[in-house]
Amino acid sequence: KAGVTQTPRYLIKTRGQQVTLSCSPISGHRSVSWYQQTPGQGLQFLFEYFSETQRNKGNFPGRFSGRQFSNSRSEMNVSTLELGDSALYLCASSPPGYEQYFGPGTRLTVT
Amino acid sequence: QKEVEQNSGPLSVPEGAIASLNCTYSDRGSQSFFWYRQYSGKSPELIMSIYSNGDKEDGRFTAQLNKASQYVSLLIRDSQPSDSATYLCAVNRSGYSTLTFGKGTMLLVSP
Repeated sequence: KAGVTQTPRYLIKTRGQQVTLSCSPISGHRSVSWYQQTPGQGLQFLFEYFSETQRNKGNFPGRFSGRQFSNSRSEMNVSTLELGDSALYLCASSPPGYEQYFGPGTRLTVT
Repeated sequence: QKEVEQNSGPLSVPEGAIASLNCTYSDRGSQSFFWYRQYSGKSPELIMSIYSNGDKEDGRFTAQLNKASQYVSLLIRDSQPSDSATYLCAVNRSGYSTLTFGKGTMLLVSP
């Protein structure tokens, strides 16, 4: 089976802009979770989607949003980018049960 | 309050030795426990999951869980330089797929 894919892999944006990241889960996985990883804070949970519904949300401002499509593909959007949003954004897909498998990530740099 | 604690390291071991990585968690409702390996510049890779008290072995890896002490460990036998990476401990509560991660322990295996 193909693994989790994320696009784009690298992104450079300017403060104030918005960005959309995409994630395609492993075939058959209906749960998609998003995480932000920074050197200072480590891996922090953003949100989880299951069957097109947001099931859980982490402690991030409303500038961070996401959605899931009927084919389980997911997107996350960050509006009004700030320098502190520079991070590795990771998507993880999960089969029934709790193991999560990560994609390669999108490295976002905000200048 | 940190929910999942790991020694940041680095933990340095010689090739062929046993590396012991430890993790404590604060939420007594935690039911599932995972170890991820993350090479520099890469995304986390799931290497072990454990759900009940005791030991679980997979090749050179052994995960140990003690729910009474709220303690999870990972032993790596016959450590190889290729095991040099950051090891992330993750937990979640029953009924929730959201993972809470520790900040990771860096392992360095010297030839």
